[in-house]
Amino acid sequence: EIVLTQSPGTLSLSPGERATLSCRASQSVSSSYLAWYQQKPGQAPRLLIYGASSRATGIPDRFSGSGSGTDFTLTISRLEPEDFAVYYCQQYGSSPPPMYTFGQGTKLEIK
Amino acid sequence: QVQLQESGPGLVKPSETLSLTCAVSGYSISSGYYWGWIRQPPGKGLEWIGSIYHSGSTYYNPSLKSRVTISVDTSKNQFSLKLSSVTAADTAVYYCAREGYDILTGGWFDPWGQGTLVTVSS
Repeated sequence: EIVLTQSPGTLSLSPGERATLSCRASQSVSSSYLAWYQQKPGQAPRLLIYGASSRATGIPDRFSGSGSGTDFTLTISRLEPEDFAVYYCQQYGSSPPPMYTFGQGTKLEIK
Repeated sequence: QVQLQESGPGLVKPSETLSLTCAVSGYSISSGYYWGWIRQPPGKGLEWIGSIYHSGSTYYNPSLKSRVTISVDTSKNQFSLKLSSVTAADTAVYYCAREGYDILTGGWFDPWGQGTLVTVSS
């Protein structure tokens, strides 16, 4: 089973700043099968990025994903007040049977 | 617009079976996609439980497989989760979601239901 480790655990930034969130896998993720989600308190997670770098429908272009192999990054180019939330990465393992695992999350808080 | 809504008891006794249903609107389950269950213990991260296709084909998280059954009812456009022999560790918000997949980008979950809190306690 692939383990995803997200860092930092908490990131304190101000609106307008750039945020860089990391997701590291314990072994190589197949074909960049990695997604990112945003979760606000009391809400369900929302898909931001899939396939490591493809933005989901309706996601602003200030959100971008990159990486391959074992190291992936979610970048928010210029933080808006509504971006402060918890972010999770998720990998899809295609080896039969398929398997999903999530990282433990990064909390992005207002400085 | 696809919408999902979880329903079921909010309180389950230890050793009993947790049962939840996810009603899908705005899309026919029979048209395709896998449909999944994910849970989140209070204050903690996300854990995938398992997924089902409209044909009834399923796959489960190996750590829960011995206790999980996911089924689908295409006539009612809904799918269900059963988790047996529950303990306090199964207390969580349970989400249902549509599972997208592409051979180039892998699998992901979108959209999600609002979630329902299930507490395991006597």
